[in-house]
Amino acid sequence: DAMVIQNPRYQVTQFGKPVTLSCSQTLNHNVMYWYQQKSSQAPKLLFHYYDKDFNNEADTPDNFQSRRPNTSFCFLDIRSPGLGDAAMYLCATSAGGLGPSFGEGSWLTVV
Amino acid sequence: GEDVEQSLFLSVREGDSSVINCTYTDSSSTYLYWYKQEPGAGLQLLTYIFSNMDMKQDQRLTVLLNKKDKHLSLRIADTQTGDSAIYFCAEEVAGGYQKVTFGTGTKLQVIP
Repeated sequence: DAMVIQNPRYQVTQFGKPVTLSCSQTLNHNVMYWYQQKSSQAPKLLFHYYDKDFNNEADTPDNFQSRRPNTSFCFLDIRSPGLGDAAMYLCATSAGGLGPSFGEGSWLTVV
Repeated sequence: GEDVEQSLFLSVREGDSSVINCTYTDSSSTYLYWYKQEPGAGLQLLTYIFSNMDMKQDQRLTVLLNKKDKHLSLRIADTQTGDSAIYFCAEEVAGGYQKVTFGTGTKLQVIP
């Protein structure tokens, strides 16, 4: 059974229209990550939560926000998607030292 | 900061061994990981090595770590067509609240 679940798997949004991607986990891991991956490039860390502590990468655009209302759920909000934000967004969780466990990803298309 | 580099492409014949290499810059790495990604899918953790180890073997997979040279390798014995994928190394650094940075990825093509 999938332990890191991302919804939706595929999302098409209009240029500038806000979009939210969700991630849930059944692993009870304290760390949750959001990565952006374009065209089989390296996954790029956007931000991660260590428990409730939010850690933003210095080069993550302000257009990207995140919420973690509880241990199990984490959301990625893209306030005004541009064409350059089309990518696969990967959620992962970790309990430390075991390597992040990834969901299947959410593909975002911006039209 | 963290910088993780890999060669882009590797082609091997079925049954041969594959060796995928990775270099990293942050000497405070605690764990180093190898992930596999098939087309359109998320990343699957294959194996990991703690930074005070030199080698780890797990069935067909052998990980070698040269901490002095900041070099990591993954050897896949008896490579099969199902091993065709992109392989990413990743490092987790101390004091980074478990921040994990990925390498550029190596596409492995296995020729039947």
